[in-house]
Amino acid sequence: EVQLVESGGVLVQPGRSMKLSCAASGFTFSSFPMAWVRQAPTKGLEWVATISTSGGSTYYRDSVKGRFTISRDNAKSTLYLQMDSLRSEDTATYYCTTGGWFAYWGQGTLVTVSS
Amino acid sequence: DIQMTQSPASLSASLGETVTIECRASEDIYNGLAWYQQKPGKSPQLLIYNANSLHTGVPSRFSGSGSGTQYSLKINSLQSEDVASYFCQQYYNYHTFGAGTKLELK
Repeated sequence: EVQLVESGGVLVQPGRSMKLSCAASGFTFSSFPMAWVRQAPTKGLEWVATISTSGGSTYYRDSVKGRFTISRDNAKSTLYLQMDSLRSEDTATYYCTTGGWFAYWGQGTLVTVSS
Repeated sequence: DIQMTQSPASLSASLGETVTIECRASEDIYNGLAWYQQKPGKSPQLLIYNANSLHTGVPSRFSGSGSGTQYSLKINSLQSEDVASYFCQQYYNYHTFGAGTKLELK
């Protein structure tokens, strides 16, 4: 059974940093590109970043470029999202998901950016 | 950037009815389209990918169609468990989601 378990979401002040993790199991993690998708409270879904299978290629939405870094450790089957210079508009539930179309999702971790 | 316009924003239907939700892309996305169902407090679940391929385990009352810039999701014989929000997503060029359709029972 495919499982994606996110962690690391907390309340943080604007301008600070946070790192999210996503532990994967039940599939060959190194064979799948991975992504982060977020959802602000009562809002729709927004793609944040994608990383290739090897980690050699990364892609970001414009609003997080230069502030967020997606990475992966295939030996540990874990996906990461380093978030720097956080803004109030980054407040959302962050989901870890697989692939080009997002076949499998974690349960999400809530990031709240507020003073 | 590719924009996705989803309609309607909300929909009320009766049990057993057929429901259609539509998405229009701002340019040709060559069937790079997926549909998701999201129930309150839960993660999204993939229903359809490549515009018309049913994801594993999804009931056959769900179907997708379309091409070019116009796509639709059809739910035949609406069941109570289908009450949810539905989102389209293009993955032809990066990723963009539609704003969503909230489906309720009449």
